[in-house]
Amino acid sequence: KAGVTQTPRYLIKTRGQQVTLSCSPISGHRSVSWYQQTPGQGLQFLFEYFSETQRNKGNFPGRFSGRQFSNSRSEMNVSTLELGDSALYLCASSLAERTYNEQFFGPGTRLTVL
Amino acid sequence: AQSVTQLGSHVSVSEGALVLLRCNYSSSVPPYLFWYVQYPNQGLQLLLKYTSAATLVKGINGFEAEFKKSETSFHLTKPSAHMSDAAEYFCAVSDRGNNDMRFGAGTRLTVKP
Repeated sequence: KAGVTQTPRYLIKTRGQQVTLSCSPISGHRSVSWYQQTPGQGLQFLFEYFSETQRNKGNFPGRFSGRQFSNSRSEMNVSTLELGDSALYLCASSLAERTYNEQFFGPGTRLTVL
Repeated sequence: AQSVTQLGSHVSVSEGALVLLRCNYSSSVPPYLFWYVQYPNQGLQLLLKYTSAATLVKGINGFEAEFKKSETSFHLTKPSAHMSDAAEYFCAVSDRGNNDMRFGAGTRLTVKP
């Protein structure tokens, strides 16, 4: 069974641009969660989608948004990029709600904002 | 809201020595608890999880963790460290009944030959 895939793996953008990251969950998984990982803040939850609906959202500004498609694939978008948005963005999928089900993580997309 | 504290951002052990990574949680209700491992340039992989069955939980790669309610702890142990155990380890907690999960700051484990 294929794991969680994330594209692209690396991105370099400049301040003010926007970026879209993609995540394909494990086949059959309906929950997709996104996390931001930085050396200073650690792993921070961005949002979770389940059956195309956002179930929960972390404490991030509205510049961060996401969506989930009917095939469970998910995208997250960051608009008006800031230097502080440089991070590893991790996607995780699970069969159902992430809070008590095992989450399977992708390798991440490393975003660098110059 | 629940939270988790990992004591020690860096732990160094010799190969063959005991590994002990500490995790304390706060939660108003019985929690679910998880340990994940992250190797360089990879995502997180679940080592083990506690969901109110046995308090001693066995995971992959020889790791285990014990849920101690009185101490609000869920420390991760491995009797004998291997070079391949060098990685970053994250403890996570989620409250039953709500839809939130919090990760600790992580502990980087170094294994010396």
